[in-house]
Amino acid sequence: SQQGEEDPQALSIQEGENATMNCSYKTSINNLQWYRQNSGRGLVHLILIRSNEREKHSGRLRVTLDTSKKSSSLLITASRAADTASYFCATFRSRLTFGEGTQLTVNP
Amino acid sequence: NAGVTQTPKFQVLKTGQSMTLQCAQDMNHEYMSWYRQDPGMGLRLIHYSVGAGITDQGEVPNGYNVSRSTTEDFPLRLLSAAPSQTSVYFCASSYDRLNYGYTFGSGTRLTVV
Repeated sequence: SQQGEEDPQALSIQEGENATMNCSYKTSINNLQWYRQNSGRGLVHLILIRSNEREKHSGRLRVTLDTSKKSSSLLITASRAADTASYFCATFRSRLTFGEGTQLTVNP
Repeated sequence: NAGVTQTPKFQVLKTGQSMTLQCAQDMNHEYMSWYRQDPGMGLRLIHYSVGAGITDQGEVPNGYNVSRSTTEDFPLRLLSAAPSQTSVYFCASSYDRLNYGYTFGSGTRLTVV
């Protein structure tokens, strides 16, 4: 069964806007990771946040983690058309388990 | 560095045939995994390995075998292909699962007819 659930399943925004994707999970974790997948390609690791961290930044990405609510969010600021992709959260505790992803479309 | 290399990129099998999907990494990563990706279902873990000689089952191991004789290679064997195994297969590796993410291969698109 899938550990993580992303919300929304699909998101369409204009270039320059911010995109927020959410992830909820069910059991305790060691870390939570976000990946990007362009159509038909392999996944690319974006950012990892440990269970004892609450927020992490990487360039235009901001990730938060709330272990009490078992949830995480990924914020992409000032989005670009090149950010169009599927985004997956994945939780790690002995194995890495993925959610079903959010399809982000950034319109020029 | 080549990263994670998967071969072949595309394959068509007939029901009942067997084949091996190859995965090799040149980063000296201890941890390797196989996933399958089906539409609307995200990635599901088939098998994983925490080092040479050590493998374990994931969520959907039935119909697949793995072995890890070297750190570099982690082949996935389909014993008797079924249409339900039509999917995109990804191999991934990691140096340190607690502190680093996984590096993924570009995938093998398998069709079983």
